[in-house]
Amino acid sequence: DIQMTQSPSSLSASVGDRVTITCRASQDISNWLAWYQQKPEKAPKSLIYGATTLQSGVPSRFSASVSGTDFTLIISDLQPEDFATYYCQQYGYYPLSFGGGTKVEIK
Amino acid sequence: QLQLLQSGPGLVKSSETLSLTCTVSDDSIRSTHYYWGWIRQPPGKGLEWIGHGHYSGNIYYNPSLKSRVSISVDTSKSQFSLKFNSVTAADTAVYFCARRAIIPLAGKSHHVFDFWGQGTLVTVAS
Repeated sequence: DIQMTQSPSSLSASVGDRVTITCRASQDISNWLAWYQQKPEKAPKSLIYGATTLQSGVPSRFSASVSGTDFTLIISDLQPEDFATYYCQQYGYYPLSFGGGTKVEIK
Repeated sequence: QLQLLQSGPGLVKSSETLSLTCTVSDDSIRSTHYYWGWIRQPPGKGLEWIGHGHYSGNIYYNPSLKSRVSISVDTSKSQFSLKFNSVTAADTAVYFCARRAIIPLAGKSHHVFDFWGQGTLVTVAS
C-alpha cells in the first residue's frame, strides 16, 4: 500500500502569509494526487487534482507543485476562510490513501 | 448544482450492520464518467477510503475493510448504499458519500472526489 506523509501536521499563520504544505508518497505515483480542504464539521472540498490543476472555482491564491514523490500545496496571501485542515490523496493505486492532514490555524 | 443527501441511523449496536444511503439529486448516477464512493473519518482523525462503485457493477473496496463492506448502486432510485457488518467501536466515525469524477487531463484520466455528502456521524454502541 502507498503511504502518504504530510508535513507539518499543523501550523500557525497570519492573514496575508504564504503557507506551504508538503505531502510525500512512499512510492512513485506520477501526478495521481489530489488536495482537499476540510473545515470543521464539514465535508472535504476538492481543490486540486493531477497534482497541479485547480478545480473550477478555486481561488488562484491556491497553487501546487510536484517534484518526484514530493507534492506541495501553496496558499499565497492566506485569507480568513482558508483556515482549515488540508489533505492530500493519491488515486493512482488501490487502495486509495490520504495523508494525515495539515491543520492551518490562526496565529 | 449536484447534491448528495445522506440518510441512515446515527447509532448502531456493536456486532450489527451499519447501513447508509446516499441520494443523488441529478441523473449523473447513470453516467459512465462517475463512480460513487464512501469515505469515513473517525472523530478527530483523518480520512479513510472505504470503497466506490459504478452503475455498470464495477466495485472497488479497501482490502482492509472488504470482508465486512458492501457497496451497491441503484440507478432506478438514483441512490447508492453502504452496508458495513459486524461493527465495533472502532467503526465509530463520520461517514461521507462522494462522487468520484473521471476527469481527462493531458491524455490521462484523473479520478477525483468532487462532490461530497453532508456526512453522517455513526456511533457504535456496545
